[in-house]
Amino acid sequence: DQQVKQNSPSLSVQEGRISILNCDYTNSMFDYFLWYKKYPAEGPTFLISISSIKDKNEDGRFTVFLNKSAKHLSLHIVPSQPGDSAVYFCAATDSGGGNQFYFGTGTSLTVIP
Amino acid sequence: ETGVTQSPTHLIKTRGQQVTLRCSSQSGHNTVSWYQQALGQGPQFIFQYYREEENGRGNFPPRFSGLQFPNYSSELNVNALELDDSALYLCASSLSVLASGRSDTQYFGPGTRLTVL
Repeated sequence: DQQVKQNSPSLSVQEGRISILNCDYTNSMFDYFLWYKKYPAEGPTFLISISSIKDKNEDGRFTVFLNKSAKHLSLHIVPSQPGDSAVYFCAATDSGGGNQFYFGTGTSLTVIP
Repeated sequence: ETGVTQSPTHLIKTRGQQVTLRCSSQSGHNTVSWYQQALGQGPQFIFQYYREEENGRGNFPPRFSGLQFPNYSSELNVNALELDDSALYLCASSLSVLASGRSDTQYFGPGTRLTVL
C-alpha cells in the first residue's frame, strides 16, 4: 500500500530551465512533507520541507508547493543546474500518528548541460 | 556531509544467518530511524529509537530488532536472513524536541548494502 507516490520515474530538463517534480499522497492525516535528494552511493540528503499549514515554501532555487485538497505536492527547481542531477524522493508523515516517514519511489532528474 | 556514519558499507550473508548493522548519529541527535530500501523503491520505515527506547515501528517482522546506546549510536539486527532482505539499509538521525518523540527533519547516513545469498 503505497501512501506516497511519485509517478514519474525519470525527468530530463535543459540547464537553466525549470524542473518540476510531482508527488501524490493518499493519507489525509499527513501534515508534514519533505523532499530529499540522493546521489549514487550516498544516503538521501534533506532538501526542503513544508508543513500542512502552508501552501508554499521557498529556499533559494527550490520551492515546494502543497495542494491539500488534491493531496499533491510539487518541487520546483529554477534554474536547473547539472549538479541537480540526482534521484529525488518525497516523504510525508502524520505528526500525531507515530513516527513513521513514508517515502515515494523517487524521480531521477537529469539536467542536460 | 550529515555527520551520520554507517558500517559496514557492504555485507554479504547467506540465508538463515544473522547480521548486525551499525550507525553513528549526528552529534546531539537523540533519535534514530532505520529504513530498508529495496532496488527501485523508496526507503521503507523499519523502526525508530528515541532515548534508547523503541518509539514507532513499521511493518517489519520481529526478527528485525534494534538497539540505541547512551552515546546515541545504534544497531539494527536481523535474524534468520531471507533472500528478500537484500537491500540498502539506511539510518537517519534527528533531534526530537517534543515529549512525544516525534522527529523533525531526518539526516541520513550513506547506508549499508546487504546482499543475502
